[in-house]
Amino acid sequence: AQSVTQLGSHVSVSEGALVLLRCNYSSSVPPYLFWYVQYPNQGLQLLLKYTTGATLVKGINGFEAEFKKSETSFHLTKPSAHMSDAAEYFCAVRTRRNQFYFGTGTSLTVIP
Amino acid sequence: KAGVTQTPRYLIKTRGQQVTLSCSPISGHRSVSWYQQTPGQGLQFLFEYFSETQRNKGNFPGRFSGRQFSNSRSEMNVSTLELGDSALYLCASSMTGTGSSYEQYFGPGTRLTVT
Repeated sequence: AQSVTQLGSHVSVSEGALVLLRCNYSSSVPPYLFWYVQYPNQGLQLLLKYTTGATLVKGINGFEAEFKKSETSFHLTKPSAHMSDAAEYFCAVRTRRNQFYFGTGTSLTVIP
Repeated sequence: KAGVTQTPRYLIKTRGQQVTLSCSPISGHRSVSWYQQTPGQGLQFLFEYFSETQRNKGNFPGRFSGRQFSNSRSEMNVSTLELGDSALYLCASSMTGTGSSYEQYFGPGTRLTVT
C-alpha cells in the first residue's frame, strides 16, 4: 500500500526565512504528487503538482517542490516566508488506480 | 467555474441520530471523494464515487455510506452517530480518467459536531 510521510508535524520559521517542508512517499512506480495548503476552517487548496517531466515544480504563492525519485521525496520550499504562509500543509500521492493518499500534515508557524 | 460546494457548512447532531451531507462537484468533474478530518487522525479517505458507482473505499464502518447522482452530485450518510464522528467532512472532485494526473479540488467542508 502507498504511504506518505511528512517529517515534522510542526515547523516554525521567522518571517523572511527559508521554508522547507518534507515529504517522502513509498512507491516503486513514480506516482503523481501534490502539495495542498489548508487555512483554518477551510478546505484544501492545491499549491502545486508533479506529473511528469521537469522535476522542479513551481506553484502558487512562491512555493516550489522538487521531485527526487532516488530519494522518493517531494519536499516543499519557499525562499522567504511571509506571515500569510501560516497554515497546514499536506503532501499527497495519487496512484495510477486513482487512489489518493495524504500525509498527516505539517503546521507552519511564521514568527514576525 | 464555480468551485466545489458542500452543504450544510455546520451541523450539530445528537448521538444515535443520522446525518446526510451534500456535495456538488465542479462542473464536468465526475469523480467525487469524501474525507474525514480530525485533529488526531488527520485526513482519512472515506470513499470515491465515479459515474454513480463507488470506485474506491476506505476503512470505515458500514455506518458511513454514500451515493452519487447522475448529475455527479454526491451525498454521504452517517447512521447511528457516535461522539467520535465529530469531524470536518471534506468533499473533493476531480476530472475523470484512471491513470490521469488530475488533482482533486476540495470544498470548504461540513463541520459535524455530535453531542
